[in-house]
Amino acid sequence: AQTVTQSQPEMSVQEAETVTLSCTYDTSESNYYLFWYKQPPSRQMILVIRQEAYKQQNATENRFSVNFQKAAKSFSLKISDSQLGDTAMYFCAFHNTNAGKSTFGDGTTLTVKP
Amino acid sequence: DTAVSQTPKYLVTQMGNDKSIKCEQNLGHDTMYWYKQDSKKFLKIMFSYNNKELIINETVPNRFSPKSPDKAHLNLHINSLELGDSAVYFCASSQDLAAQETQYFGPGTRLLVL
Repeated sequence: AQTVTQSQPEMSVQEAETVTLSCTYDTSESNYYLFWYKQPPSRQMILVIRQEAYKQQNATENRFSVNFQKAAKSFSLKISDSQLGDTAMYFCAFHNTNAGKSTFGDGTTLTVKP
Repeated sequence: DTAVSQTPKYLVTQMGNDKSIKCEQNLGHDTMYWYKQDSKKFLKIMFSYNNKELIINETVPNRFSPKSPDKAHLNLHINSLELGDSAVYFCASSQDLAAQETQYFGPGTRLLVL
């Protein structure tokens, strides 16, 4: 079974600064995907970024980038130039391709302060 | 042009009642899911369906019965509601089983059992 751990229940950052959210996972699978989802107060789940395990290059999406360390089973999310609209709960998720199932971490609540 | 829609958005009901939550996706996807997010924001998969067939049932009480009349719809019926069923229920879809790693979430249905 896979586990996903987000060790930071809450974080805050000043507007325009950079923040990194941590995520570690445990698996014996070799074929998988990793994701970061954002859940604003509206409760909608929004895909922020995804990473294929077989790709060494870290994924980036505008101000969002990941630091994927496969050997260490670490998948952190960096948000640059933080904006007030980034305030949300962020979930790290692991997708087991063989089992066809996603496992989510417990979430990190990020507050961007003006 | 909502991709994944759920009705109702809010549902308040008495313990012991039976209720249904509906989900529809207009993305032409083959695979649909139900997730439960409890009061601590933990997100757990409940069911997945592919082309109207049950793929995953994650040890959910049999009071929960999903029904997929066609591949664009996955409804969740809950019998004999209990206080612990209070949560936000998310529907999601993915293109097919091979692309389950990218899921599109609905806005969620907030269920409160009194």
